[in-house]
Order: sequence, then structure tokens, then C-alpha cells
Amino acid sequence: KQEVTQIPAALSVPEGENLVLNCSFTDSAIYNLQWFRQDPGKGLTSLLLIQSSQREQTSGRLNASLDKSSGRSTLYIAASQPGDSATYLCAVRRGSGGSNYKLTFGKGTLLTVNP
Amino acid sequence: DGGITQSPKYLFRKEGQNVTLSCEQNLNHDAMYWYRQDPGQGLRLIYYSQIVNDFQKGDIAEGYSVSREKKESFPLTVTSAQKNPTAFYLCASAGTGRSNEQFFGPGTRLTVL
Repeated sequence: KQEVTQIPAALSVPEGENLVLNCSFTDSAIYNLQWFRQDPGKGLTSLLLIQSSQREQTSGRLNASLDKSSGRSTLYIAASQPGDSATYLCAVRRGSGGSNYKLTFGKGTLLTVNP
Repeated sequence: DGGITQSPKYLFRKEGQNVTLSCEQNLNHDAMYWYRQDPGQGLRLIYYSQIVNDFQKGDIAEGYSVSREKKESFPLTVTSAQKNPTAFYLCASAGTGRSNEQFFGPGTRLTVL
């Protein structure tokens, strides 16, 4: 059974700092990995999706990397801003692809960026 | 605007009542999902549907039911058999192409009185 772990559970940083959020998964046979952001009381916003054949994806100040063999992904946020404060979740899709579209989620990292 | 809508935003239910949560999408996605989110826990999959008129149980389907009569709609009924229904419910949809990126609605917070 796939398990996804995110460490740390909470992180507080001063504005302007570069930071890294971690995601690890127990079964390396994944099809893709997705990073989401969730603001309090809101739905999830998709940030980045990395296919199993890719090493990284970038969107603006965000960069996600994937090391499938070691079961790890990182989300790098450059020059953090107070507006980046939210919970960040990662989720993996099972490696068979095809008709199996289920995701397994981590519990998230609560990020606070202090002005 | 393309997206996923959920209604209502807040829902209060008395014990013993069934309630139905609405989820509609205009993204032309084939796959739709229902998740439950509780404090301190990850998202847990309740039901999912990969095509109209077909759906499968997720990890915590007991006490819930769904239908998928239209591509755009995937309503979730929380029945009186669900022992602890107070939670935040999230609906998502995804295309069935290579990326299968999931997109989420704004959620419904259900409280049992």
C-alpha cells in the first residue's frame, strides 16, 4: 500500500527566504506526482504535476523535483512572500497509469511566511 | 469560466437525515472524485467515477452513495448510516489523458447537529 509522508508538518520562515518542502513515498512505481496548495477552508489548487519520466517542473517561483528511485520529491519556493502562507500537499498516482486515476495524498506541510 | 462548483458551501444536518452534496464541472472531464478531509488527516477517497453511469468505491465508501447520470455532475449523498459525517468534503475532476491532473472544487463543510 502506497504511503505518502510530508516533513515537516509545519514550517515558519521570514519573508524573502528560499525554502524546500519534502514529500516521500513508499512505492517508487508511480505514474506522476502532483503538488497542491490549500488555503484555510478552501479547496486545493494544483501547482505542479511531474510525470514519472521527468526530473523537475517549474512554474514561476516554484520548482518541483522528483527522484523516483529514492521515493522523494521536493517543492522549492524562491523568495517566499506572506501570500505563500498555506498548506502544501503532495499526491502520487499509482504506477500502472492506464485506467487507474486514484491519488494518494500526504497530510501536508503548513507554511507560514512572516512579514 | 471553466471550473468545478460545489454547493452548498456550508450544510447542517440533523442526526438520522440523508443529505446530498452537489458537484458540477464544465471542464469536459471524464473522471470525477469525492474526498473527505478531517483535521490532521490527509484526503481520503470516498467514491470515484471514470465515465458516465459507472463509479467505484474508494477507501471509505461506507455510509455514502453517488450517482453519475451526466458527465458534468457527480452528487454525493451522505446517509444516516455514516457514523461520523462531520467533515470537509471536496470534489475533484480530471481528464483521462496522459497527465490526468486533478482539479478541485471549493468544498462543502458538513456539520451534524
